[in-house]
Amino acid sequence: AQTVTQSQPEMSVQEAETVTLSCTYDTSESDYYLFWYKQPPSRQMILVIRQEAYKQQNATENRFSVNFQKAAKSFSLKISDSQLGDAAMYFCAYDDTGGGSEKLVFGKGTKLTVNP
Amino acid sequence: GAVVSQHPSRVICKSGTSVKIECRSLDFQATTMFWYRQFPKQSLMLMATSNEGSKATYEQGVEKDKFLINHASLTLSTLTVTSAHPEDSSFYICSARVPQGAYEKLFFGSGTQLSVL
Repeated sequence: AQTVTQSQPEMSVQEAETVTLSCTYDTSESDYYLFWYKQPPSRQMILVIRQEAYKQQNATENRFSVNFQKAAKSFSLKISDSQLGDAAMYFCAYDDTGGGSEKLVFGKGTKLTVNP
Repeated sequence: GAVVSQHPSRVICKSGTSVKIECRSLDFQATTMFWYRQFPKQSLMLMATSNEGSKATYEQGVEKDKFLINHASLTLSTLTVTSAHPEDSSFYICSARVPQGAYEKLFFGSGTQLSVL
């Protein structure tokens, strides 16, 4: 079974600084999708960024970018110019059911605190 | 953008009663919806996949007779927790797929906090 591991239960960053959240996963599949979701205190799940395993280029979305290392099965999230609104739980997720975001397997999450 | 509405946001009930949670797609048709459960300080765990017009598919270890799922229309899926007990207290979240260009995107409801006394 696929597993997703987030080794940092909590992280903190100063406003305007950069922070990297770690994620590793285990799979025997060659084609799959990886996601980072944000869950603020409202508990609404928000998609931050999506990476397709067959694409070598790292995905970017404004201040959010990933470092995807397929051989190492690593998928870290970098948040640049951190803002107070970035404070939230961040979940790394895996999906291999054709990219339809069906059976997502989530990591346990990293709580990010942004200090003013 | 697509919106998934979940109701109620919070419910408190007595042990032994049943609780129904609704998940609606507001501006799109969702043939498939998903139900997740999240315990405090834990991750989301997929409970079941809800398919419009057919029986739901449950994940291993999830009691289908306890967690009844109905997806009678393209915009509504319901999760009924039958004979709820304190161990069923959790945060329940629904989600739905929406085709967006070359791939499908998953939208989540705002969740329901269930507390069973």
